[in-house]
Amino acid sequence: EVQLVESGGGLVQPGRSLRLSCAASGFTFDDYAMHWVRQAPGKGLEWVSGISWNSGSIGYADSVKGRFTISRDNAKNSLYLQMNSLRAEDTALYYCAKDKVRDYVVGSFDYWGQGTLVTVSS
Amino acid sequence: DIQMTQSPSSLSASVGDRVTITCQASQDISNYLNWYQQKPGKAPKLLIYDASNLETGVPSRFSGSGSGTDFTFTISSLQPEDIATYYCQQYDNLPPGGFTFGPGTKVDIK
Repeated sequence: EVQLVESGGGLVQPGRSLRLSCAASGFTFDDYAMHWVRQAPGKGLEWVSGISWNSGSIGYADSVKGRFTISRDNAKNSLYLQMNSLRAEDTALYYCAKDKVRDYVVGSFDYWGQGTLVTVSS
Repeated sequence: DIQMTQSPSSLSASVGDRVTITCQASQDISNYLNWYQQKPGKAPKLLIYDASNLETGVPSRFSGSGSGTDFTFTISSLQPEDIATYYCQQYDNLPPGGFTFGPGTKVDIK
């Protein structure tokens, strides 16, 4: 059974940093691209960042480019999101999501974690 | 960037009704479109991929169609458990630089 478990969320002041983690199990982690998708309270879904299986291809939404860094450790079956210079508008539930197609960054998310809440406020 | 619109933003229908949601892309995305269902307090769930393919385990009352810029999502016979918000999402914008979601359609029972 595929499981994605996010952690690392919390309350942080504007301008500070936070690192999210996603622990994956139930599938061959290093065969698939992985993504972060966020949802502000009461709002819709926003893709944040994605990374290919070998970290060779990485992309970011314009809203986080230059502030967030995605990475993965295939030996630990883990995905990360380093978030710097946080803003109030980054407040959201952050989901880790698995890409559907093996070996490629497709952008279809077939499994999701339950999310970790990040609140940016002074 | 590719923008996605959905209509309606919300709808109320009776159990057994046929429900249709439309999604429009700001440019041609071929069939690179997914549909997700999100129930309150839950993570989204992939229902339809490549515009018209049913994800494994998803009931056959759900279907999708379309290509290019105009897409349709249909629930053939609305069930109480279908109460959710439905999102379309394009994945044409490669290499990874933007996979955009529509604003969502909230479906309620009348």
